[in-house]
Amino acid sequence: GQSLEQPSEVTAVEGAIVQINCTYQTSGFYGLSWYQQHDGGAPTFLSYNALDGLEETGRFSSFLSRSDSYGYLLLQELQMKDSASYFCAVASSASKIIFGSGTRLSIRP
Amino acid sequence: DTAVSQTPKYLVTQMGNDKSIKCEQNLGHDTMYWYKQDSKKFLKIMFSYNNKELIINETVPNRFSPKSPDKAHLNLHINSLELGDSAVYFCASSQDGGPSSYEQYFGPGTRLTVT
Repeated sequence: GQSLEQPSEVTAVEGAIVQINCTYQTSGFYGLSWYQQHDGGAPTFLSYNALDGLEETGRFSSFLSRSDSYGYLLLQELQMKDSASYFCAVASSASKIIFGSGTRLSIRP
Repeated sequence: DTAVSQTPKYLVTQMGNDKSIKCEQNLGHDTMYWYKQDSKKFLKIMFSYNNKELIINETVPNRFSPKSPDKAHLNLHINSLELGDSAVYFCASSQDGGPSSYEQYFGPGTRLTVT
């Protein structure tokens, strides 16, 4: 079967750093993506890792280890507007992305 | 300038009815998708079209029929609606169907409620 595991909820404090982990088991693997979704909104693309290592985009960074079937999203200098659900997604074949069940990030002042 | 648009945004209907959701993208992308997001926020792909051709059909009931008149449009028709069809349906697009499919642009969603 194909599965992606990520924590269902994470809570952090404004200004802090939080890491959201994702482990995957899929029949094919092109890369790992991360999407953000605010309540009532649409998923928006954040980052993509095809190769091992860390990709940084502003306050957000994403990491991938293909040998461990593992990745994470790192959010720094948390702001209240970062409160949202975060989905990891595996591009398992051409034109097909499998999404994880999402991690709801709550940020306290 | 809306990149991916869907109509309607909300759809409330009774069991047994037939309804359609329309999707349009102005990004010049070759590939379009339909996703279903249930009440637990699980996002599951239903269909994918590349240049008007169906390339992914994820064991969706025959009551769901996508139609792509051109590569900028992908509509979803649902026959004989059931209670379990209640969900948010998202249309999305990506530049092509290959490795670039990891970066998808989503429409605002259509919240379908079947009573």
